[in-house]
Amino acid sequence: KQEVTQIPAALSVPEGENLVLNCSFTDSAIYNLQWFRQDPGKGLTSLLLIQSSQREQTSGRLNASLDKSSGRSTLYIAASQPGDSATYLCAVKQGNTDKLIFGTGTRLQVFP
Amino acid sequence: NAGVTQTPKFQVLKTGQSMTLQCAQDMNHNSMYWYRQDPGMGLRLIYYSASEGTTDKGEVPNGYNVSRLNKREFSLRLESAAPSQTSVYFCASRKDRANYGYTFGSGTRLTVV
Repeated sequence: KQEVTQIPAALSVPEGENLVLNCSFTDSAIYNLQWFRQDPGKGLTSLLLIQSSQREQTSGRLNASLDKSSGRSTLYIAASQPGDSATYLCAVKQGNTDKLIFGTGTRLQVFP
Repeated sequence: NAGVTQTPKFQVLKTGQSMTLQCAQDMNHNSMYWYRQDPGMGLRLIYYSASEGTTDKGEVPNGYNVSRLNKREFSLRLESAAPSQTSVYFCASRKDRANYGYTFGSGTRLTVV
């Protein structure tokens, strides 16, 4: 059974820092991996989608990498800003199913 | 704006009452999903529909029913609400193509008292 873990559960950093969020999964037979952002009381906003054949995806200050063989993905946020404060979720799509398996998220706070 | 629309945004039910959560997408996506989000447990799949006319159980289907009314709409019904169903419910959709991800609605916050 696929299990997705995100470490750390919470992170508090000063504005301007570069930071890395981690996501690990137990079954490497994934189809793709998606990173989401969730603001308090809101829905999920898709940030980046990495196919199983890809190593990384970039969007602005965000860069997500995928190492399928080791079961890990990282989300790198450059020059963090208070507006980046949110919960970040990773989710994997299994190769033979139509389901997303979510991690429990990392709650990020960026203070001025 | 194109996307996934959920109604209502908030609801309070008494134990034993029934209600239907509505979800509609205007992106011509084939697949639609219902998830619930509980503190410390992440999002868990309740039901999904790979195409119009088909539905399948997810991880936590007990106490729920779904209807894929047409390609746009996928509703979730609680026949007899229980306090354990207090949660935030999210609807999502996905284009049935290899390189597409999931689009989520803004959620329905349900409290059963």
